[in-house]
Amino acid sequence: KAGVTQTPRYLIKTRGQQVTLSCSPISGHRSVSWYQQTPGQGLQFLFEYFSETQRNKGNFPGRFSGRQFSNSRSEMNVSTLELGDSALYLCASSLDYSVGQRIHFGNGTRLTVT
Amino acid sequence: DQQVKQNSPSLSVQEGRISILNCDYTNSMFDYFLWYKKYPAEGPTFLISISSIKDKNEDGRFTVFLNKSAKHLSLHIVPSQPGDSAVYFCAASVNTGNQFYFGTGTSLTVIP
Repeated sequence: KAGVTQTPRYLIKTRGQQVTLSCSPISGHRSVSWYQQTPGQGLQFLFEYFSETQRNKGNFPGRFSGRQFSNSRSEMNVSTLELGDSALYLCASSLDYSVGQRIHFGNGTRLTVT
Repeated sequence: DQQVKQNSPSLSVQEGRISILNCDYTNSMFDYFLWYKKYPAEGPTFLISISSIKDKNEDGRFTVFLNKSAKHLSLHIVPSQPGDSAVYFCAASVNTGNQFYFGTGTSLTVIP
């Protein structure tokens, strides 16, 4: 079974631009969540989607948004990029959102904002 | 505000000895905890989990201990192997699905 797939692996953007990252969950998984990893901050929760609906949202500005499609694939978008948005963005999937799920991560998209 | 803390950024252990990684949390509502291992250029890989109704869970060389009164979690690796060298993250959630709060990680080096 293929794991969580994230594309692209690397991105370089300029301040003020916008970016879209893509995530394909493990087959059969319907919950997708996104995390940002920066040095010294660990992984911080961005949002979670299930059945095309956002279920939870972390403490990030409105420039960060996402969506989920009917096939459970998800995208996240960051508009008006800032230097501080440079980070590793990780997507994770699980069967659903019930308690006790382990979430499975992709290898991430490394975003660099210059 | 960091609700899950890993106060040791790094740890070095001799091969064959025990590795103990610690994690503290502040939110008493957390009821599910996980440990992940991360190699460079890869996503985190699930290691072991524990529910708040238990105080210990074992899986092979890995054991997680939970002390709810102290709001403390630890991961024991016995015996440690060079392939265990990685960054370890603990994570916790309340009964809200897959929103996990992660610590900042501990980099473990197992010396052959």
